[in-house]
Amino acid sequence: KAGVTQTPRYLIKTRGQQVTLSCSPISGHRSVSWYQQTPGQGLQFLFEYFSETQRNKGNFPGRFSGRQFSNSRSEMNVSTLELGDSALYLCASSPLGGIDEQYFGPGTRLTVT
Amino acid sequence: GENVEQHPSTLSVQEGDSAVIKCTYSDSASNYFPWYKQELGKGPQLIIDIRSNVGEKKDQRIAVTLNKTAKHFSLHITETQPEDSAVYFCAARSWNTGNQFYFGTGTSLTVIP
Repeated sequence: KAGVTQTPRYLIKTRGQQVTLSCSPISGHRSVSWYQQTPGQGLQFLFEYFSETQRNKGNFPGRFSGRQFSNSRSEMNVSTLELGDSALYLCASSPLGGIDEQYFGPGTRLTVT
Repeated sequence: GENVEQHPSTLSVQEGDSAVIKCTYSDSASNYFPWYKQELGKGPQLIIDIRSNVGEKKDQRIAVTLNKTAKHFSLHITETQPEDSAVYFCAARSWNTGNQFYFGTGTSLTVIP
């Protein structure tokens, strides 16, 4: 079974631009979560989607948004990029979320200049 | 919300020795505790997990113990090998916060050949 895939793997953007990252979960998994990983803050939860609905949200500004499609693929969008948004963005999928285990993708490395 | 503390932040061991990483959590409603291994340039990989109704779980050279009363859990790696060198993260999930995962700050393990 193929793992979680994320595209693109690397991205360089300029302050003020917006960016969209994509995640394809493991086949059959319906829950997709997004995380931001930085050296200073570690792994921080952004949001979780299940059956096209946002089920949980972390403590990030409204510039960070996401969505999930009927095939469980998910996208996250960051608008008006700031230098501090430079990070590794990780997507994780699980069968149903809740009490299930969670599997991570390789991440998208975003650099904001 | 939940607060997960992880120690030590760095750990060096000789090949063949054991390594132990410890985490504490604050929310008594946390009921699922996974451990992840992250190698350079990759996403976190689930290596073992434990649920709150179990005190210990073992998988070959890796074991996890959970003390619910003291709210701490530990990762034990025996007979360490150079390929065990990576950053290890613990996490806790609480139904109190919508089953959101909270991560420790990571332990960089180096196994010296």
